[in-house]
Amino acid sequence: NAGVMQNPRHLVRRRGQEARLRCSPMKGHSHVYWYRQLPEEGLKFMVYLQKENIIDESGMPKERFSAEFPKEGPSILRIQQVVRGDSAAYFCASSPPTRTAYEQYFGPGTRLTVT
Amino acid sequence: DAKTTQPNSMESNEEEPVHLPCNHSTISGTDYIHWYRQLPSQGPEYVIHGLTSNVNNRMASLAIAEDRKSSTLILHRATLRDAAVYYCILRDGLNQFYFGTGTSLTVIP
Repeated sequence: NAGVMQNPRHLVRRRGQEARLRCSPMKGHSHVYWYRQLPEEGLKFMVYLQKENIIDESGMPKERFSAEFPKEGPSILRIQQVVRGDSAAYFCASSPPTRTAYEQYFGPGTRLTVT
Repeated sequence: DAKTTQPNSMESNEEEPVHLPCNHSTISGTDYIHWYRQLPSQGPEYVIHGLTSNVNNRMASLAIAEDRKSSTLILHRATLRDAAVYYCILRDGLNQFYFGTGTSLTVIP
């Protein structure tokens, strides 16, 4: 059973460009979470999605950031008009479709560098 | 915002037990206590979790204070592969995790 997959692993964008980060959850998992980790800091929750639904986006910046988890295909975190402050590691996690999922399984992360 | 407090760093000698403390004085009755660890350039890895009772698994033990305002992760015999940042996390009813800055564990050979 493959783990959570994220791609690309490394992404370089110039200021003003768009960044698209993809996350494929573990097989059978329908809950996806996105986190951002700045250098030397812990992970910060961004958004929690289920298939075709955003459950909680309280950690998402109000502008330029969006996330989706379509019925088919991976979850996408999209950052428009990137700025240098967006440089960070972005982690995706998934969990099974149970009411009280105890574990989140994390992917290896995408390291975004904005030049 | 993180709901837990941990020491920034700790050291342990190889093959000795390690006790990693965590304070969570604002924990609510339905919050689960989770521990994850993160090796350099990797995503966090599940270690253990609990609600009220102490827990054991193949990786570690979790000791939870009676008032649940603190907990301790116990690695029984530290190895070099246990060197990582350990996060103590509260999970609320929405299955959301609140990470703090964690404890960076150094294992000395």
